[in-house]
Amino acid sequence: DSGVTQTPKHLITATGQRVTLRCSPRSGDLSVYWYQQSLDQGLQFLIQYYNGEERAKGNILERFSAQQFPDLHSELNLSSLELGDSALYFCASSAGWSNQPQHFGDGTRLSIL
Amino acid sequence: EDQVTQSPEALRLQEGESSSLNCSYTVSGLRGLFWYRQDPGKGPEFLFTLYSAGEEKEKERLKATLTKKESFLHITAPKPEDSATYLCAVQDNYGQNFVFGPGTRLSVLP
Repeated sequence: DSGVTQTPKHLITATGQRVTLRCSPRSGDLSVYWYQQSLDQGLQFLIQYYNGEERAKGNILERFSAQQFPDLHSELNLSSLELGDSALYFCASSAGWSNQPQHFGDGTRLSIL
Repeated sequence: EDQVTQSPEALRLQEGESSSLNCSYTVSGLRGLFWYRQDPGKGPEFLFTLYSAGEEKEKERLKATLTKKESFLHITAPKPEDSATYLCAVQDNYGQNFVFGPGTRLSVLP
């Protein structure tokens, strides 16, 4: 058990809809990272927050947004969903903001119908 | 642009048959190279961090090494429970991006 909790485990929705994925980091970790994993793209870094502030940005679409709250949990919002957004979304956390081992949750599987 | 490739794509070993997995990277200044293990339906599990060429780290049957252009994950006398996908990732000196390789799918047969 990594200590990182992601909810929900599965999500099924339709094109054009909006969903929110939630992540609770390991106790004591200040950084939260979001990743997308699909069969053809592998694990793609989306965004990192450190202690409530955006720290690094990867290949995150404009339709996607994230935030980290004062209690350090994070939410990833996906809007105007397309079929191609179907994927596993992972959250990871680490103690610091750089060069730290990341501890991953077990992901949210998003299916767009 | 930072890039990570891994080879082979898949590897089947007999129990006890040692081998190595390769991770080749192109990065504008390496801040850190990370190895992870991922089991089906699970998130990646952290194994090692390497920071500079020449560095080596070991954990049980696994040993990771780093050169200026690649890293190797050596698996000595593997067991069936070592079957998993092994992922390599890099962070560049700007600290703004984490790039994962596509992984090597390892199967160890009893």
